[in-house]
Order: sequence, then structure tokens, then C-alpha cells
Amino acid sequence: NAGVTQTPKFQVLKTGQSMTLQCAQDMNHEYMSWYRQDPGMGLRLIHYSVGAGITDQGEVPNGYNVSRSTTEDFPLRLLSAAPSQTSVYFCASSYLGVQGASEEHFGDGTRLSIL
Amino acid sequence: KQEVTQIPAALSVPEGENLVLNCSFTDSAIYNLQWFRQDPGKGLTSLLLIQSSQREQTSGRLNASLDKSSGRSTLYIAASQPGDSATYLCAASGSGGGADGLTFGKGTHLIIQP
Repeated sequence: NAGVTQTPKFQVLKTGQSMTLQCAQDMNHEYMSWYRQDPGMGLRLIHYSVGAGITDQGEVPNGYNVSRSTTEDFPLRLLSAAPSQTSVYFCASSYLGVQGASEEHFGDGTRLSIL
Repeated sequence: KQEVTQIPAALSVPEGENLVLNCSFTDSAIYNLQWFRQDPGKGLTSLLLIQSSQREQTSGRLNASLDKSSGRSTLYIAASQPGDSATYLCAASGSGGGADGLTFGKGTHLIIQP
């Protein structure tokens, strides 16, 4: 199993450009989420999904869109990139077990720079 | 709004020492608490998950405890090794069954001196 796969690993954008960060998991996990990690701020939740067709906002959703058409994929879209969105983005997944939600499995991250 | 605090922010100890990392959270209505390890430039690796009904979890040289009433968790590392050097993060889930994401502390940067 590959686990959680994020592409691309690195990306440089110009202000105003749009792009999609890809996230795929092959573990049949119901729950998926996106975080951004910034120096001094820690990881913050952007959006999350509890299953195909269901998404909700996290702590810092502005400027980002998500959709979940399949269990496996949870892409994150930047509509009009801004320098404040320069960050490392992590995708994570987990499942609902007998005792509750499982541990989170994280991808290796996408390092995004907005010029 | 849940807030998670980790103390200390950085720690440097000689190899072989036992050490404790601290994590506190403001809202005791958590579903579970997780400890992660992050190596430079890498993603997060889950170390231990403690469900809200549990008091502690152990894995090898690691032991994590949870006290919901006081809003605290600790990660105990026994007989530390240079390979333990990393940033350790704790994260609390919301009351939504663990499906609505995690709130992270800012981490403890740990250096084990050979």
C-alpha cells in the first residue's frame, strides 16, 4: 500500500494563479483532511471530509476549495494564489474503527511558494 | 475554540536519559489525543493514539498518558537515543467522533546528544 500520496511535492506559483494540490489514499479511509503548516503557527485545519460527497470547513478555509467525488481522492484547490498561502500543505486520512476514529495517516506534504 | 500548548518548545538532553514532553488542551471534550513525530522536511508519523476513555498507551520505549479532567497529556521517552531527535507534536480531536480534524500544538523540538 502507498498510504497517502500527495502531488506535487514542490510548486512555485505567481500571485493570482490557480492550482490544485492532489491527495489520494489507497486504504479505503472514510475521513480525509487538509492542513497547512507555517513557522510559529503549527498545523492548522483547512477543510475536512467524512465521506464521498461530504466536506466541511476547518479553521482556515478562506481561499481554498475542496470536493470529494470518490473515497480515494480529496483535491485542494487554490482559487487565486496569494503570498499568504505560501506554506507546506499536508493531507491526512483516518477511518472509523471499533473504538472510534483511528490514528491519522499523513502524506509527505506539498511545499508551495507564491511569488 | 480548542487550544493546544506544548512545553517545552525545545529540549536538548544527553543520550540515555528518560524525558517527558508535556501537552495541555483547553477543552476537555476531546474524542482522542494523538502524539506524532516529524523529522525535518518530512510528514507526520503517528506514535500513539489515546482514546478519551483510556488513560495511557505504550509502544516500545514510548508511553503516553491522558488526563482529560486536567486537560493534560504527557509523552514519556525512556532511554533516549540520537535517533529520537525530531519534533514531537500532540493533537486533540474534536468531539465530533474524531472525524472533524485535529487541533495541533506547536511542537517540542527534541535533540538527543550522542
